[in-house]
Amino acid sequence: ELKVEQNPLFLSMQEGKNYTIYCNYSTTSDRLYWYRQDPGKSLESLFVLLSNGAVKQEGRLMASLDTKARLSTLHITAAVHDLSATYFCAVDLGIQGAQKLVFGQGTRLTINP
Amino acid sequence: NAGVMQNPRHLVRRRGQEARLRCSPMKGHSHVYWYRQLPEEGLKFMVYLQKENIIDESGMPKERFSAEFPKEGPSILRIQQVVRGDSAAYFCASSGSGANVLTFGAGSRLTVL
Repeated sequence: ELKVEQNPLFLSMQEGKNYTIYCNYSTTSDRLYWYRQDPGKSLESLFVLLSNGAVKQEGRLMASLDTKARLSTLHITAAVHDLSATYFCAVDLGIQGAQKLVFGQGTRLTINP
Repeated sequence: NAGVMQNPRHLVRRRGQEARLRCSPMKGHSHVYWYRQLPEEGLKFMVYLQKENIIDESGMPKERFSAEFPKEGPSILRIQQVVRGDSAAYFCASSGSGANVLTFGAGSRLTVL
């Protein structure tokens, strides 16, 4: 059974600081997704990482994928309050073309002024 | 494009009643997924459907839960004889053929009293 583990699960940080969220998974996959969820809202797609060594950046967020280590990271640079949310990574089992995602537990990020 | 539309957004049921959750995929999307999110957890895959076909229902509880995606109209997730443990947010997502990213709806939050 595929397991996806994120750490930390809770992260409180100050504006302007940098930090990294880690996502480890237990089986081979070369498709990994990062989503953002605000309280009571749906999931917003942030990044799709489709190959080993993939790196994508959008604003203050940067995601990378190492399929050999089965590890993805989401790096936050110079955090601002608006980035407060819960961040999920999800691994695609990719069976028969279906997007059967297995999600991590989520990392609840709080950015304090 | 209105995106993935789910209704109702909030539903309250008493134990033993039935819950019906509806999902209209994005225009042009023919693949529908249902995921369940328990409080403070990540999303868990339930079922994957295409028009008139259930492709993968490996995440559906064996009893009381059913899903359909008819030729005309929205996809429906039906929960019979609800119990308190069914209280959760149910998210629908859709994708087009060959697409890499799921688009999620805003979710339907079911509360069982």
